[in-house]
Amino acid sequence: GAGVSQSPSNKVTEKGKDVELRCDPISGHTALYWYRQSLGQGLEFLIYFQGNSAPDKSGLPSDRFSAERTGGSVSTLTIQRTQQEDSAVYLCASSPSLGNQPQHFGDGTRLSIL
Amino acid sequence: GNSVTQMEGPVTLSEEAFLTINCTYTATGYPSLFWYVQYPGEGLQLLLKATKADDKGSNKGFEATYRKETTSFHLEKGSVQVSDSAVYFCALQFSQGAQKLVFGQGTRLTINP
Repeated sequence: GAGVSQSPSNKVTEKGKDVELRCDPISGHTALYWYRQSLGQGLEFLIYFQGNSAPDKSGLPSDRFSAERTGGSVSTLTIQRTQQEDSAVYLCASSPSLGNQPQHFGDGTRLSIL
Repeated sequence: GNSVTQMEGPVTLSEEAFLTINCTYTATGYPSLFWYVQYPGEGLQLLLKATKADDKGSNKGFEATYRKETTSFHLEKGSVQVSDSAVYFCALQFSQGAQKLVFGQGTRLTINP
């Protein structure tokens, strides 16, 4: 498709389990962002990739969160030993390059921790 | 730090009413300003943007003007429709570094027929 694709769209898991969330950006977009949308905190930045490197990881809330991007394309966000406060919608966005280009968002993954 | 504050919602209006959603920001420097919209069941979409002071962004009948003197970027529409019902987010972005978006808390708008 032409847009940013995220999977799964919904994920329910038990506290303490690990989860992987996937983002497939728009083809050719070199910049990729992860954000989190939760009731208490609104929309928060998590991590930014330029190509395969992540020069800004400042928004990751704890060391249980990690992300990687391979081939300058698909990215995965991994949450280890999930906690209930991790419940949120995780949004991915991509943009063509630096220089004030708008970010294009996926529909998100709704994560629920039981 | 950099932050965005939006008027609290939810906002409920009748069709054809005039809409204003207030947005103010705090930033060191001169960011670009955005309004994003999230329709029910859909992802975030860029609605409009302005990159420098006194710029006016417009789209789908919505307008917002970048006011440096009042650090504001209020969203307006002269006559709303039921299809405008959505959550609206104001955001800022700097052109250096990661260019991450800093969002306001969002304002839920409901338009009744």
